Amino acid sequence: AQSVTQLGSHVSVSEGALVLLRCNYSSSVPPYLFWYVQYPNQGLQLLLKYTSAATLVKGINGFEAEFKKSETSFHLTKPSAHMSDAAEYFCAVSDGGGGFKTIFGAGTRLFVKA
Amino acid sequence: DAGVIQSPRHEVTEMGQEVTLRCKPISGHNSLFWYRQTMMRGLELLIYFNNNVPIDDSGMPEDRFSAKMPNASFSTLKIQPSEPRDSAVYFCASSDDTDTQYFGPGTRLTVL
Repeated sequence: AQSVTQLGSHVSVSEGALVLLRCNYSSSVPPYLFWYVQYPNQGLQLLLKYTSAATLVKGINGFEAEFKKSETSFHLTKPSAHMSDAAEYFCAVSDGGGGFKTIFGAGTRLFVKA
Repeated sequence: DAGVIQSPRHEVTEMGQEVTLRCKPISGHNSLFWYRQTMMRGLELLIYFNNNVPIDDSGMPEDRFSAKMPNASFSTLKIQPSEPRDSAVYFCASSDDTDTQYFGPGTRLTVL
């Protein structure tokens, strides 16, 4: 069975500061890992995805995430927060079975202070 | 590509009425998912289809909820009768074999 845990339902950073959103997963098979972002009144959209290639994955808007198998983690980072990064972020895991059930985390809401 | 299309975007109805939400997935995608999102419960998977066949409906809250996918380009989620606790944002998402899900803009349902 697969699961994903996002540490912290809310994270607040100042504009220009480092963004770090934490995600730990559990999977019995090599996982596919995702970060999705949801802006207010919109659906989720893909930020980045890990599929067993390079462990450091770069996504849109300057975000990146590192797959660490030994720590079963896939934390999301961005060196310098921008006001437009304020949104809810979801970590997700799937077994790469081809579009079947993906498990989403509970989400972390990111606040960016001016 | 137009992306996943959902209609209506907003629906306000009275308790006891039937509600039908509609979704058009991205052309060529073979999996379709219905989710419900609320502040209290977060994002919940209700049902998903693969090649128009329901694979897992264990997330459907009760018999008042039903979903169909008559062809590869259309799906409906029906609630009959609706109750105030069904008020939520309902998302449809579609996926190809890459496992990436593409979400629609959602339908905000309010049941009075």
